[in-house]
Amino acid sequence: EILLTQSPGTLSLSPGERATLSCRASQSVKSDYLAWYQQKPGQAPRLLIDGGYSRAAGIPDRFSGSGSGTDFTLTVSRLEPEDFAVYYCHQCGISPYSFGQGTRLEIK
Amino acid sequence: DVKLLESGGGLVQPGGSLRVSCEASGFTFRTHAMNWVRQAPGKGLEWVSGLSGSGGMTYYADSVKGRFTISRDNSKNTVYLQMNSLRAEDTAVYYCAKVSGNYFGSLDSWGQGTLVTVSS
Repeated sequence: EILLTQSPGTLSLSPGERATLSCRASQSVKSDYLAWYQQKPGQAPRLLIDGGYSRAAGIPDRFSGSGSGTDFTLTVSRLEPEDFAVYYCHQCGISPYSFGQGTRLEIK
Repeated sequence: DVKLLESGGGLVQPGGSLRVSCEASGFTFRTHAMNWVRQAPGKGLEWVSGLSGSGGMTYYADSVKGRFTISRDNSKNTVYLQMNSLRAEDTAVYYCAKVSGNYFGSLDSWGQGTLVTVSS
């Protein structure tokens, strides 16, 4: 099973700042099969980034994904108030699929 | 608009069984794999199970293998998760999610979830 480790566990930033979230895999993951999701309290997760770097439909361009192999990054260039949430990475290429434990992005 | 509507959650005793369902609409159901993902109270996401568009290929997390069975009825646009030998640690909100491809891919649409509580 591929383990995904996200860091930091919690990130405290202010609106307008840049957020950098990390996801490290225990073995190589094809970029095609690395996704990022956003989840707000009481809501289902929402797909943000598909295939390592492609924004899903309707996702603002302040969200970007990068990385390859075992190291992937989600960047939010300028935080808006609605971006404060929990973010998960997900590998969907090798079964059993897996999620990282999440990074909570909170308002400083 | 893609819609996924889960049902069938509830309270069940340890060792019991439950079947949750997810009815889909707004896309060509038989051409997309479907997954189940769960979230225990206050915890992160855990991938549970998936199956291909035809239903011919199924996948399970080690934590549920041998106890849970995923299936689909493409004539009813519905995916199921049969859960047997339930344990307290299976308590969670169960989400169904549409996969972007026929076999693999990201989860591009999610239902609102159904709560399963395993308790005596």
